This record gives sequence, structure tokens and C-alpha cells, in this order.
Amino acid sequence: DIQLTQSPSFLSASIGDRVTITCRASQDIGTSLAWYQQNPGKAPKLLIYAASTVQSGVPSRFSGSGSGTEFTLTISSLQPEDFATYFCQQLNSYRFGGGTRVDNK
Amino acid sequence: QVQVVQSGAEVKKPGASVRVSCKAAAYTFTGYPMHWVRQAPGQGLEWMGWINPKNGDTNFAQKFQGRLTMSRDTSTSTAYMEVSGLRSDDTAVYYCARAEYYYDGTTNSYIYYFDYWGQGTLVTVSS
Repeated sequence: DIQLTQSPSFLSASIGDRVTITCRASQDIGTSLAWYQQNPGKAPKLLIYAASTVQSGVPSRFSGSGSGTEFTLTISSLQPEDFATYFCQQLNSYRFGGGTRVDNK
Repeated sequence: QVQVVQSGAEVKKPGASVRVSCKAAAYTFTGYPMHWVRQAPGQGLEWMGWINPKNGDTNFAQKFQGRLTMSRDTSTSTAYMEVSGLRSDDTAVYYCARAEYYYDGTTNSYIYYFDYWGQGTLVTVSS
């Protein structure tokens, strides 16, 4: 089974910061990767699919990149509503990464 | 707009079964696979399986083989997920999620991702 490892698990940042989250796959998955945002008590929300395609309605400060085994989610300028947990997902096996919680510094 | 609305919270005893429903609205129910994902308290997301509402085909994660059933009622645009033999570690929020697809030219295949999620259903297993 393909494993996904997210780093860091926890991140402390301030409003306006540039934030980067990494997701590493245990083997080549091409660009078959999605990113989701989850707020406490809420369902996950799709941000990015196909590694770099931003879902309609998602703010342009969110971007995704990478292929093969290493992927990144970048928030160009952190906003108050971005404090949440972020998950990557491999789109062949549908396995999720362990999550990255972004907190207010 | 597109919605998937789940049934309410459940409390079950160990060994019992639970069925969660997921009603689709404002889109063609039979046109999109429905996946199920669960999240134990304070934990990450765990994919469980999917159902093709058009023909009823299913595919489950190996971990749930033998304990998981998925079905659908096309007349009401509702998908169902049932877990049997409940244990305390099945306590979780269960989500349904509609799957949309894109075409990957590199692999010449259609790749599915989860674009609309239900609100979640808390299932508590306790004696």
C-alpha cells in the first residue's frame, strides 16, 4: 500500500505568513493527489485536485505543486479563516495523509 | 446547489449494526460514485469504500471486508452504509462524499476526487 507522510504535523503561523505543507508518497503517484481543509466539527473541504488544480471557489492564495513522490500545499498569505487542519489524499487508493494542523502563533 | 445530507447521530452497543444514510440533492445521483470516510475522535481521515449508484457496484477497503455493506435507493437518491459487529473503536464521525473525476492524459485514466461532503454522522459504540 502507498503511504502518505505529511509534514509538519503541527505548524504555528501568523496572519500574512506564507505557509507550506509537504506530503510525501512512498512510491510514484504521478499527480494523483488532492488537498482538503477541515475546520473543527466540520466536514473536509476540497482545495486542490490533480496536485495543482484549484477547486472552483477556493481563494487564489491556495496553490498546490509537485508530482511523483513529493507534493506541497502553499498558502501565500495566511488569513484568519485558514487556521484549520489540512489533509492530502492519494487518489488511486484514496488513502489520506496524517494531517497538518495550522494554529495561530 | 449540490448537497449531500446525512442521517443523525447514533448510539449503539458493541456487536450491533448501524446504518447511515446519505441523501443527494441538486445533481444526478446515478452519475457520481459515493464514497464513505470515517474519522475517529481526534484522529485523521480513513477511507472505507465506495458505491456506484448507477449499478450498485461496491469496493471496500480491505480492513472493512466482511463487516461493511453499501447500498442505494435510486428512487430517493439515497446511499446507505452499514457496519456490522460494532466495536468501541468504530466510534467515529462517518462522512459520505460525492466523487467527481478528471482525465489524466499521462496515465490515460479517469481519476476521482471528493468534491462534496455530507455533514457527518457521529456513531458512538458504547455498552
